[in-house]
Amino acid sequence: AQTVTQSQPEMSVQEAETVTLSCTYDTSENNYYLFWYKQPPSRQMILVIRQEAYKQQNATENRFSVNFQKAAKSFSLKISDSQLGDTAMYFCAFADSGAGSYQLTFGKGTKLSVIP
Amino acid sequence: NAGVTQTPKFQVLKTGQSMTLQCAQDMNHEYMSWYRQDPGMGLRLIHYSVGAGITDQGEVPNGYNVSRSTTEDFPLRLLSAAPSQTSVYFCASRYTGTSGSYEQYFGPGTRLTVT
Repeated sequence: AQTVTQSQPEMSVQEAETVTLSCTYDTSENNYYLFWYKQPPSRQMILVIRQEAYKQQNATENRFSVNFQKAAKSFSLKISDSQLGDTAMYFCAFADSGAGSYQLTFGKGTKLSVIP
Repeated sequence: NAGVTQTPKFQVLKTGQSMTLQCAQDMNHEYMSWYRQDPGMGLRLIHYSVGAGITDQGEVPNGYNVSRSTTEDFPLRLLSAAPSQTSVYFCASRYTGTSGSYEQYFGPGTRLTVT
């Protein structure tokens, strides 16, 4: 079965500093997609960034970037210049064809607090 | 586009009552799904559908029924609510074409409490 592990239940970072959230996953498939979703206190699930496994280049979206290590099955999220609005739960997720229809499998989440 | 909409936003039920959580999307997505979110558990898949008339079970399907009569709507039914079904429920949808990235778009969620 596919699994996603986020080993940091909670993290904190000073405003304007950089923080990295960890994620590892397990799959026997070669073709899959990885995602980071943000859930602020409003409860809405917001896509932060995605990575296709066949692409070697790490994805970036403004202050958000990933470190994708396919051999190690690792997919960490780096947030640069942290802002108060980054305070949220962050979920790592992946989708592959092994589960059928590219279903999303989520990690348990990391609660990030940005401290002024 | 309204995206994915869910009603109601909050609901309190007594044990044994039934109800339907509504979900609709206006993006013409073939794939729709229901998740439940419990503290410390992330999101877990309840049921999903790859098109009208086609549904399948996810990780935690017991106690829930679904149907998909149109592309737009994917209701989730609780036939006899139990306290263990107290949770936040999310509906999501995505494009299923070969050029898609498989990202899912989520509704705002429904907080359900069963007493």
